[in-house]
Amino acid sequence: GESVGLHLPTLSVQEGDNSIINCAYSNSASDYFIWYKQESGKGPQFIIDIRSNMDKRQGQRVTVLLNKTVKHLSLQIAATQPGDSAVYFCAETLDTGRRALTFGSGTRLQVQP
Amino acid sequence: DTAVSQTPKYLVTQMGNDKSIKCEQNLGHDTMYWYKQDSKKFLKIMFSYNNKELIINETVPNRFSPKSPDKAHLNLHINSLELGDSAVYFCASSQENRGVGLKTGELFFGEGSRLTVL
Repeated sequence: GESVGLHLPTLSVQEGDNSIINCAYSNSASDYFIWYKQESGKGPQFIIDIRSNMDKRQGQRVTVLLNKTVKHLSLQIAATQPGDSAVYFCAETLDTGRRALTFGSGTRLQVQP
Repeated sequence: DTAVSQTPKYLVTQMGNDKSIKCEQNLGHDTMYWYKQDSKKFLKIMFSYNNKELIINETVPNRFSPKSPDKAHLNLHINSLELGDSAVYFCASSQENRGVGLKTGELFFGEGSRLTVL
């Protein structure tokens, strides 16, 4: 079936470096994407979203890039901090009708001091 | 004040037992969800309710029965618990109906309820 997936299960970076977390999706009909952050023992927390009519969206220290041609999504975190250590999920859905988010398998980001 | 709260946070029980997890949201949202997260952190939708109406029911065993007494509450009852039911169950809410073309997909999650079946 169609699913959302991630290239790297674990990403280790040095504090202060930029991080890039990638996600591949296979449902070409998906038109709304969200990145979530899940810290240990907590529920997923919204980071940033993007709709299919955009290819880039920036937040505070985070940028999401969407490449619809190759069905690829990425999350860039600038100046990664220890507090960024968590599992990151991309999620996708159709922005029409009643639907639930389909989550990818997650990438663990480890920030080394 | 917690936006989406679930109880209990931890639940350890024997196979064959029946248990319930409760969820309440004080965000005024109209849609609530149950997600299951397995040991590999994979999050999968189970159910979704909009204004007390069941709108999503994934291929979940009949032993799982959600109940929404009002739009602020969504409880999950599980009968005849099995080892494979061990997981973290997350409740979430969202505001789906903000007017035509103004939907948002942002889900607000609870802290999760870790169920361990022995």
